[in-house]
Amino acid sequence: AQSVTQLDSQVPVFEEAPVELRCNYSSSVSVYLFWYVQYPNQGLQLLLKYLSGSTLVKGINGFEAEFNKSQTSFHLRKPSVHISDTAEYFCAVSPYTGTASKLTFGTGTRLQVTL
Amino acid sequence: DTGVSQDPRHKITKRGQNVTFRCDPISEHNRLYWYRQTLGQGPEFLTYFQNEAQLEKSRLLSDRFSAERPKGSFSTLEIQRTEQGDSAMYLCASSFPSGRLNTEAFFGQGTRLTVV
Repeated sequence: AQSVTQLDSQVPVFEEAPVELRCNYSSSVSVYLFWYVQYPNQGLQLLLKYLSGSTLVKGINGFEAEFNKSQTSFHLRKPSVHISDTAEYFCAVSPYTGTASKLTFGTGTRLQVTL
Repeated sequence: DTGVSQDPRHKITKRGQNVTFRCDPISEHNRLYWYRQTLGQGPEFLTYFQNEAQLEKSRLLSDRFSAERPKGSFSTLEIQRTEQGDSAMYLCASSFPSGRLNTEAFFGQGTRLTVV
């Protein structure tokens, strides 16, 4: 079984400041890692994913994340946020089993960007 | 085909009534997933289809819930005798299978159910 922990339920930040959203996971098998963003009353949009290869992954909207296997972390970063980045961010994992690719999500981090 | 489509977007129902939601996946995708998201929580896996076969069901899917994908295209999720605890956003997602390589799931905009 897998579990995902997002330690920060809310992260307030000023526009143009850098931000890091933390994600730690636990799994008895190898996993793929994802970050999704959800705007109010909307579905989820994929920001980025780590499948294999370079541990630094770049995604859409200027976001990037780094996979750290020893610390079982996959923190999301952006060097300069914009008001439009205000949303809920979910970290998720999927087992590398070759069968069902269902996702296990964290509880989310609300990013609130203000002027 | 612009993405995963869910209908309706919102549903308000009285406790004890039955409701049915529809999901149309991206046409080339043969995997389809249902998730439930309650307020302040991340989505939780409910069930999964590959083509028309329902391959996995979560323990969250009580016997009041039934999902079908009769022709391997669209899927329906029915909740019988709704309870207030069923109030949530129901999300559908679809993806390709790729052998041993996982692929991303594309999500619909969800159906928000309110049971009064």
